[in-house]
Amino acid sequence: GQNIDQPTEMTATEGAIVQINCTYQTSGFNGLFWYQQHAGEAPTFLSYNVLDGLEEKGRFSSFLSRSKGYSYLLLKELQMKDSASYLCASKNAGNMLTFGGGTRLMVKP
Amino acid sequence: AAGVIQSPRHLIKEKRETATLKCYPIPRHDTVYWYQQGPGQDPQFLISFYEKMQSDKGSIPDRFSAQQFSDYHSELNMSSLELGDSALYFCASSLTAGEHNEKLFFGSGTQLSVL
Repeated sequence: GQNIDQPTEMTATEGAIVQINCTYQTSGFNGLFWYQQHAGEAPTFLSYNVLDGLEEKGRFSSFLSRSKGYSYLLLKELQMKDSASYLCASKNAGNMLTFGGGTRLMVKP
Repeated sequence: AAGVIQSPRHLIKEKRETATLKCYPIPRHDTVYWYQQGPGQDPQFLISFYEKMQSDKGSIPDRFSAQQFSDYHSELNMSSLELGDSALYFCASSLTAGEHNEKLFFGSGTQLSVL
């Protein structure tokens, strides 16, 4: 089975850094994804980790520890447009993606 | 670049009616996924197809069925609709071949409202 936990809501200030944590328990773990979703819109891909370590992509970075079943998404230089839900999703060996409940991030001026 | 196309964008049905949602994956993508997302909830996996064969099944009710056609487009058929079926239905596609398990690309979704 698969079980994914992430905080429900977070608030941060424009220009700051925020870290969104995700823990997972996935049978046949085969990768960890982060997606951004604005209300009423489709999730859009942010990052993919399958090996331990940090993947950096512009203002966004994602970290994975397979032994701890833990990942985080780091957002730097926050902008107002970063206000959205951030979905942690794990993929199993069968390529099935299971989403966590999402973290609603509110960026304040 | 071509994206995943879903139709219709919005659909309003009454209880006990049927609905058909369509999904056209990104060209050359071989896997299609269907997700259901209720208000304020995370996307829930329904079903997936790889090379036109069902590959995984999630929390899809028996009232729903889906298939992938020879041109790789997929349809989600929903019968005996219930109020609780009101949700945003996303289709996603990916290219699974090779060593890299590619990321899923999502369509804009079909908003189904059951009255």
